[in-house]
Amino acid sequence: GAGVSQSPSNKVTEKGKDVELRCDPISGHTALYWYRQSLGQGLEFLIYFQGNSAPDKSGLPSDRFSAERTGGSVSTLTIQRTQQEDSAVYLCASSPSGGALTGELFFGEGSRLTVL
Amino acid sequence: GQSLEQPSEVTAVEGAIVQMNCTYQTSGFYGLSWYQQHDGGAPTFLSYNALDGLEETGRFSSFLSRSDSYGYLLLQELQMKDSASYFCAATNQAGTALIFGKGTTLSVSS
Repeated sequence: GAGVSQSPSNKVTEKGKDVELRCDPISGHTALYWYRQSLGQGLEFLIYFQGNSAPDKSGLPSDRFSAERTGGSVSTLTIQRTQQEDSAVYLCASSPSGGALTGELFFGEGSRLTVL
Repeated sequence: GQSLEQPSEVTAVEGAIVQMNCTYQTSGFYGLSWYQQHDGGAPTFLSYNALDGLEETGRFSSFLSRSDSYGYLLLQELQMKDSASYFCAATNQAGTALIFGKGTTLSVSS
């Protein structure tokens, strides 16, 4: 597609369950980012992938959070043993190489996670 | 650390001009970006200032002063559709990602 695609758009889960969120970046974009946005808050950086380089995981809030990117394209964010405070919108963005240095990221519509 | 401060809310009427401010503290600075986000939507890029001064794109202008660690987004001829949240963002020290402010919610009334 033309834009960043995320699935599912909505996910309701029970506390303690694992969830996987998927992101399809814009074709040709080598950089991929995950952010978390809690209600009424700004965007919190989680993780960054650039090509085949080691990801920048400095924003992951705990070891329950992990992400992978296969073949330099699709990415999956996994949250294990979900907690109620994990409820948020998880946004994926992509950019050409060095996107953060040009200030322009292309965001998807996000996956809204609700943990009951 | 890095932080960006924005007023939480601004209200204005159609046809007016509104300025939304952003002050930042960063370890290393590349430039300041602005994003618009409508309720339930994706953040969309508006502008980027790497150098001091004013950048204009249609009804939107963005300003940066590196010496003051300050920038603003100026919207002219406000329309109802401009009601949204506006975020400023700066590149993190590693140069790998953008760090965002908490955003300013703009409400435009008729």
